[in-house]
Amino acid sequence: QKEVEQDPGPLSVPEGAIVSLNCTYSNSAFQYFMWYRQYSRKGPELLMYTYSSGNKEDGRFTAQVDKSSKYISLFIRDSQPSDSATYLCAGLDRDDKIIFGKGTRLHILP
Amino acid sequence: DTGVSQNPRHKITKRGQNVTFRCDPISEHNRLYWYRQTLGQGPEFLTYFQNEAQLEKSRLLSDRFSAERPKGSFSTLEIQRTEQGDSAMYLCASSRAAGSYEQYFGPGTRLTVT
Repeated sequence: QKEVEQDPGPLSVPEGAIVSLNCTYSNSAFQYFMWYRQYSRKGPELLMYTYSSGNKEDGRFTAQVDKSSKYISLFIRDSQPSDSATYLCAGLDRDDKIIFGKGTRLHILP
Repeated sequence: DTGVSQNPRHKITKRGQNVTFRCDPISEHNRLYWYRQTLGQGPEFLTYFQNEAQLEKSRLLSDRFSAERPKGSFSTLEIQRTEQGDSAMYLCASSRAAGSYEQYFGPGTRLTVT
């Protein structure tokens, strides 16, 4: 079992829809949870982070972590074609290594 | 802050050749990380440095791989006797300090071994 599991998609939704992206993890030592966005042929860029359990909102994006169920979520409201990318969920382990999921490819259809 | 830069951006080499990649982190960032990403997968940790000291190496990093960070500034990743399985995107990231979730990634070097 990989430490972070993520459905690779692809996920296609119409413009303006709410997008829900999810991951599960197995490493109980994770304290920081991150979402990275990666456009084709580019490096990942940090989109949001959450410390421990809880919610965090930033504009159209909301990140949620439930440590009791080891579940990580990202919601995108009013999705735009420019949101089309691969979204990587990740946890930071005790040794400061980022452990990534496979990434979910998201397509927002105009 | 000019971001993390990596060179070259693309490298095509024949099996058995040696290749070297360079990463220039964000200035004043003490931590520097190398990750490898294959198609359809997330990045996987290879190794990292605190200043010039290499602190950890993944078991993914065979003895054909070596990384250095002389003087704690830029870093190089060398692959000797390349194999087709080495074809991947090699990503470098840097962070300001230990325990930081904020790792800033470079654009990567895409290696193709023919």
